[in-house]
Amino acid sequence: KQEVTQIPAALSVPEGENLVLNCSFTDSAIYNLQWFRQDPGKGLTSLLLIQSSQREQTSGRLNASLDKSSGRSTLYIAASQPGDSATYLCAVNSNYQLIWGAGTKLIIKP
Amino acid sequence: ETGVTQSPTHLIKTRGQQVTLRCSSQSGHNTVSWYQQALGQGPQFIFQYYREEENGRGNFPPRFSGLQFPNYSSELNVNALELDDSALYLCASSSNRDYLGNEQFFGPGTRLTVL
Repeated sequence: KQEVTQIPAALSVPEGENLVLNCSFTDSAIYNLQWFRQDPGKGLTSLLLIQSSQREQTSGRLNASLDKSSGRSTLYIAASQPGDSATYLCAVNSNYQLIWGAGTKLIIKP
Repeated sequence: ETGVTQSPTHLIKTRGQQVTLRCSSQSGHNTVSWYQQALGQGPQFIFQYYREEENGRGNFPPRFSGLQFPNYSSELNVNALELDDSALYLCASSSNRDYLGNEQFFGPGTRLTVL
């Protein structure tokens, strides 16, 4: 059974710092992995999608990597800003469904 | 290109009632998935519909049921509501051309509160 874990559960850093969010999964048989952002009380915003054959994807200040064999993905955020404050969720596409982590709540202090 | 839309935005029901949530998929998408997100948790997969048939189901009881229509829009029905059904319900659509690995695009969600 696929399980997804995100560490840390919460993170608070000063503005301008580079940071890394971690996601691990137990079954390497995945089709892709997505990182999402969720603001309080809101829906999901897709940030990056990495197909199982890819190692990383980049969008602006965000870079996501995937190591399928070790069951790990990282989301790197460069030069963090207060507007980056949100909960970040990773989800693995396993068969026909997405299996989710519980998220990392990120607070960027001005 | 129209994105995924969901209605209503918010809903308040009482225990034992029934509720219907609606989702319109993104243009060109024929697959719809539904997820339940309780407060402070990641979403949980409820079921998926592909070409009007249920294509997979998560660990939810039969009182959670769904439909997909010829235009690929979808409904989620929940009977005999319980307090624990209070959650954000998310709908996602995908094109499914490659069947299993396509990106899913999410709607804004419906916030259901059961009193």
